[in-house]
Amino acid sequence: QVQLQESGPGLVKPSETLSLTCAVSGYSISSGYNWGWIRQPPGEGLEWIGSIYHTGSTYYNPSLKSRVTISVDTSKNQFSLKLTSVTAADTAVYYCARHGAVAATGPVDYWGQGTLVTVSS
Amino acid sequence: DIQMTQSPSSLSASVGDRVTITCQASQDITNYLNWYQQKAGKAPKLLIYDASNLETGVPSRFSGGGSGTYFTLTISSLQPEDIGTYYCQQYDNLPRGTFGPGTKVDIK
Repeated sequence: QVQLQESGPGLVKPSETLSLTCAVSGYSISSGYNWGWIRQPPGEGLEWIGSIYHTGSTYYNPSLKSRVTISVDTSKNQFSLKLTSVTAADTAVYYCARHGAVAATGPVDYWGQGTLVTVSS
Repeated sequence: DIQMTQSPSSLSASVGDRVTITCQASQDITNYLNWYQQKAGKAPKLLIYDASNLETGVPSRFSGGGSGTYFTLTISSLQPEDIGTYYCQQYDNLPRGTFGPGTKVDIK
C-alpha cells in the first residue's frame, strides 16, 4: 500500500521560504513514476505546482516556476518542495502526490493527507 | 494558456438520480483528462483517467466520456456517499496539470 506523508512548518513568514517534505512508504521512488506537489487555498480549487522523476528531472507550473524547487532523496525515499518569497496568496493546503502514469503531470493515483501552510507575520 | 471550465458549479440531486457534470477545455486535449472526487477535509481521489478509464476500486456507477474539448462525468445512480466536489484535470496542453474550478454535488 503506497502512502505519502507531508511534513514541515505550518506557519511561514512573508518573504521567507516554504519548505515541505513528503515521505513515501510502500513503494520505492527509485522504481519510477513522477512525484509531485499540488496545493489548495482555503475554500478554493486545486493548483498543480510541479513534479519530479527519480532521476531528478523536474517539471514546474510556469506560473510558479521562478519560485519553486522540487528535489528528491532516493536514499530516504522522500521528495521535497521549496517555495521562495512567499506571500499570503501562498497560504494553502499542500498535498504531495504520485502521478501514476508516464507523464509528469498525469493522473494522481496516490495523495498525501495534506498539510496546511499559513503565510503570516 | 489552456482554460478549463466546469458546469454546473454546483448541483443538488436526489438519491438514485442520474447526474452529469461537464468539463470543457479551451484547446484540444485529446483524451488527457482526469476526474477526481474530493470530500470535505480530505485529499482528492482519482475516479477516471484518460477521459473514460475507471480507476481500480471506483464504483461502476461512475463513468467518463468525451474527447477533444468536451468531457463528461456521469454518476448513474447518485448515492449519499457521493457528496463532495468533483474536479477535472487536463495534462495535454500548457500549463499541464490544470484543474477545472470544481462542481459541488450534494443531496436534495
